[in-house]
Amino acid sequence: NAGVTQTPKFQVLKTGQSMTLQCAQDMNHEYMSWYRQDPGMGLRLIHYSVGAGITDQGEVPNGYNVSRSTTEDFPLRLLSAAPSQTSVYFCASNTLGPLTSPLHFGNGTRLTVT
Amino acid sequence: GENVEQHPSTLSVQEGDSAVIKCTYSDSASNYFPWYKQELGKRPQLIIDIRSNVGEKKDQRIAVTLNKTAKHFSLHITETQPEDSAVYFCAAPWKAAGNKLTFGGGTRVLVKP
Repeated sequence: NAGVTQTPKFQVLKTGQSMTLQCAQDMNHEYMSWYRQDPGMGLRLIHYSVGAGITDQGEVPNGYNVSRSTTEDFPLRLLSAAPSQTSVYFCASNTLGPLTSPLHFGNGTRLTVT
Repeated sequence: GENVEQHPSTLSVQEGDSAVIKCTYSDSASNYFPWYKQELGKRPQLIIDIRSNVGEKKDQRIAVTLNKTAKHFSLHITETQPEDSAVYFCAAPWKAAGNKLTFGGGTRVLVKP
């Protein structure tokens, strides 16, 4: 099993550009989520999904969109990139939600917005 | 996340000594407390977790203790080794934020040989 796969690993954007961070899991997990990691601030939840067709906002959703058309895929879209979105982004998945089983993280995407 | 505070932010220990990281949380309804380890440039990975119906859990050199009355939980690493050098994150669910899992700010642990 590949687990949770994120692409790309690195990305540089200019302010105002849009892009999609890809996330796929092959463990048939119902729950998927996106976090951003900034120095000294831990991992902050952006958006999450409890199943195909269902998404909800996390702590820091502004500037990001998500969709969940299949169980496997959970892409994160940056609508108009801003320097404040420079961060490392992690996708995670687990079964039964984050409160009852471990989160499986992808390898992360390091995004720089200039 | 606002629900969880983690201390210290950095911790330097001599190889063989013990390391303790403490987290406090504000939501008294929280009932699940995982710890994640993140090595440099890698993804976070679960190392141990505890649920609110137990006060302590051990797995070889690591242990977690929970004090629900005081609303804090701690990670204990004994006989530290260089491979324990990493950033450690605690987490807890926060009902006020829709029962989402919120993370502490992280502790960078450096084990000196």
